[in-house]
Amino acid sequence: ILNVEQSPQSLHVQEGDSTNFTCSFPSSNFYALHWYRWETAKSPEALFVMTLNGDEKKKGRISATLNTKEGYSYLYIKGSQPEDSATYLCAPCSGSGNTPLVFGKGTRLSVIA
Amino acid sequence: GAGVSQSPSNKVTEKGKDVELRCDPISGHTALYWYRQSLGQGLEFLIYFQGNSAPDKSGLPSDRFSAERTGGSVSTLTIQRTQQEDSAVYLCASGTGGVRELFFGEGSRLTVL
Repeated sequence: ILNVEQSPQSLHVQEGDSTNFTCSFPSSNFYALHWYRWETAKSPEALFVMTLNGDEKKKGRISATLNTKEGYSYLYIKGSQPEDSATYLCAPCSGSGNTPLVFGKGTRLSVIA
Repeated sequence: GAGVSQSPSNKVTEKGKDVELRCDPISGHTALYWYRQSLGQGLEFLIYFQGNSAPDKSGLPSDRFSAERTGGSVSTLTIQRTQQEDSAVYLCASGTGGVRELFFGEGSRLTVL
């Protein structure tokens, strides 16, 4: 099971601010990196699955970048809105992709109106 | 149905009783996971099934926990002799593995009195 670290643990931002957080993982034998958004009282939902070094993915105001050589991914939120308040989870996948998906502890984002 | 279905949605039991939680994954999904979220904690990996391979049980917290997946579809998580610390939301997720995202059920909330 891969060791994954997410920072910061929690974050409070004002509505309209842009923000970003980090997912760090072992760079050896990398296969894929998953990002999920988990709202309170709901189930986690996938945001991105990234595989290529240098890859950047975007969904609305949310984007993510990947550096597989140094073992990190950034998630960016532009112009944060209260509905962005959630815990953002990442999970690396190694080998041939058959290892279990084990999530980091997440970054809890609170957007204050 | 179209999504991952879990039952029961809520279960209250007495300490020492056995409980069974059921997960019906999305049809055709070869990967099935069980996770749990204890109060104030993140998403804890429990067990992973992938196709016909032996399950990865490395996340099970004790030998009171077991899971099986019959016919590559429905899975049952069994907790024997429940303890108060087993109280949590148990989430099931399914997918096709590797670079494909996971789809989560609504969870089963277990309360052990």
